[in-house]
Amino acid sequence: DIQMTQSPSSLSASVGDRVTITCRASQGISNSLAWFQQKPGKAPKSLIYAASSLQSGVPSRFSGSRSETDFTLTISSLQPEDFATYYCQQYKSYPITFGQGTRLEIK
Amino acid sequence: EVQLVESGGGLVQPGGSLRLSCAASGFTLSDHYMDWVRQAPGKGLEWVGRSRDKAHSYSTEYAASVKGSFTISIDDWKNSVFLQMNSLNTEDTAVYFCARVIQGNYAQDYWGQGTLVTVSS
Repeated sequence: DIQMTQSPSSLSASVGDRVTITCRASQGISNSLAWFQQKPGKAPKSLIYAASSLQSGVPSRFSGSRSETDFTLTISSLQPEDFATYYCQQYKSYPITFGQGTRLEIK
Repeated sequence: EVQLVESGGGLVQPGGSLRLSCAASGFTLSDHYMDWVRQAPGKGLEWVGRSRDKAHSYSTEYAASVKGSFTISIDDWKNSVFLQMNSLNTEDTAVYFCARVIQGNYAQDYWGQGTLVTVSS
């Protein structure tokens, strides 16, 4: 199975900050990487797929990038509604696997 | 508008069975792969399984933790995806989500709101 190692596991930041979350795959997954946002009691929301493609309706302050097996989710200027838990996911091969999540909290 | 609505969750005893439904609307179900993902209380996301589209005979893939116990099926007349869960144990307690997979890609886009399954005596 492909392991997805996400860091940090938690992060405190302020409104307006630039935030970066990383995810490392245990083997090559090309661009088959997605990012999700989840708020308490709600379903995950897809933000990015194919490492850097923004889902329809997702604000442009969210972006994704890839360097080999390292993937990054960047939020350019945090908004109050962005405080949530973020997950990466590889869908290159079965079983599909998720990172353990990053909890983004208000400082 | 794409909508996915799960139902069928509830309390079941260890060793029991449950069938979850995911009602799809706003798109042609037979054209899409569909996934089930679960989340145990206070834990992260775990992929459960996938059904491919009609063109691929609705073939399936499963996580090792559920293979042989869980079965995904599609009824495109009812526009619904089903998750049949047998031999349930306490570790299967979770919120179960269905998710649509993007055509021509293998990433998920739309998710349902989830249904809670509690396995307890």
